[in-house]
Amino acid sequence: AQSVTQLGSHVSVSEGALVLLRCNYSSSVPPYLFWYVQYPNQGLQLLLKYTSAATLVKGINGFEAEFKKSETSFHLTKPSAHMSDAAEYFCAVRSSNDYKLSFGAGTTVTVRA
Amino acid sequence: NAGVTQTPKFQVLKTGQSMTLQCAQDMNHEYMSWYRQDPGMGLRLIHYSVGAGITDQGEVPNGYNVSRSTTEDFPLRLLSAAPSQTSVYFCASSYPGLNTEAFFGQGTRLTVV
Repeated sequence: AQSVTQLGSHVSVSEGALVLLRCNYSSSVPPYLFWYVQYPNQGLQLLLKYTSAATLVKGINGFEAEFKKSETSFHLTKPSAHMSDAAEYFCAVRSSNDYKLSFGAGTTVTVRA
Repeated sequence: NAGVTQTPKFQVLKTGQSMTLQCAQDMNHEYMSWYRQDPGMGLRLIHYSVGAGITDQGEVPNGYNVSRSTTEDFPLRLLSAAPSQTSVYFCASSYPGLNTEAFFGQGTRLTVV
């Protein structure tokens, strides 16, 4: 079964600093990877997804992620954090066998003024 | 276009009671899923459906039933509520395909006392 591991359950950054959220996947076949964001008391919304067309994927709100097959990673970054980026972020992988979408445990981002 | 609508938003049940969480989508998506979200565990798949009349179990199906009589609706039934089912429940839908985005409802916060 395919799975993802998010390193760090909580990340705290200063406003204007780099945001780096780590995600590693386990897959013996090409993975279908996603990053979702959840703002307080809301559902999840898509930030970006890996489609195999490019290893560097740009998403909404200035986020991007780089797919590295050799490291089995799909880390999410944003060059300059904003207060509005405070949320929980989930990495997810879709199985090519049964289309199930599996999520990591999530990383909560807090932004300090 | 309402997207994915879940009702109710909040519910308190007594141990042993049964109830149905409703989920409806108006995007003509074939795939629908139910997840539960617990602190530190991300989202775990309960049941999913790839089309009307077709359902299958996810990672944590015990204590829950689903049916899919129409494309639009995918209700989740708790047969005999237990305190361990206290959680936030999310319904999601998507088009078929490995790299398609899943759209989420706003969630139902369930407390079992």
